[in-house]
Amino acid sequence: VQLVESGGAVVQPGRSLRLSCAGSRITFRMFDILWVRQSPGKGLEWVAFISHDGIRKDYTDSVKGRFIISRDTSKRTVYLQINSLRVEDTAVYYCARDRDGASLDNWGQGTLVTVSS
Amino acid sequence: SDVLTQPPSVSVAPGETARISCGGDNIGSKSVFWYQQKPGQAPSVVIFYESDRPSGIPERFSGSNSENTATLTISRVEAGDEADYFCQVFDSRNDHRLFGGGTKLTVL
Repeated sequence: VQLVESGGAVVQPGRSLRLSCAGSRITFRMFDILWVRQSPGKGLEWVAFISHDGIRKDYTDSVKGRFIISRDTSKRTVYLQINSLRVEDTAVYYCARDRDGASLDNWGQGTLVTVSS
Repeated sequence: SDVLTQPPSVSVAPGETARISCGGDNIGSKSVFWYQQKPGQAPSVVIFYESDRPSGIPERFSGSNSENTATLTISRVEAGDEADYFCQVFDSRNDHRLFGGGTKLTVL
């Protein structure tokens, strides 16, 4: 399955943004999906997880309360709502498939979020 | 502690062996994955579960894991191996994924 992210933009601190991760095949609904971000010149950081049925959700501690992950099966899309944006949220955001409950594959090409006044 | 430590950079000449380490408390008891990221591209896995390779990854890529250090070994390094490499573990205590800081492999 191919994953395509969209929604990245330049936004001011404190604003909100919604990122999308669209799947290319109907089998997308069978997959658990994760969001991972990469700050400029930095490493990878897992930020959010959603199960295939949308029931289980989880977040890394640093984004709990500000990030909301959801999915629309009919649109084959997973969303990441980012509220109260901070400068340190500036990053490329990737979505990826949870391959086996532990590792990730089928990464998208990423979408850039820049938080700046 | 919940930190995976990688050297920022490793440099080797073509044909030599590159070893990239990933240090973490008791990492030997965890499943370790390695990802390769070339400039402008998304990461892709090169090693699953310490030493398994997905299809398309040459045998030159191998992994090992013991006690507090996991290691990605690339034998007979080629120019096309130049990339950033990240280790990742799955923390069964909280179902979270943890990545190392990444290592830039330079082929001299």
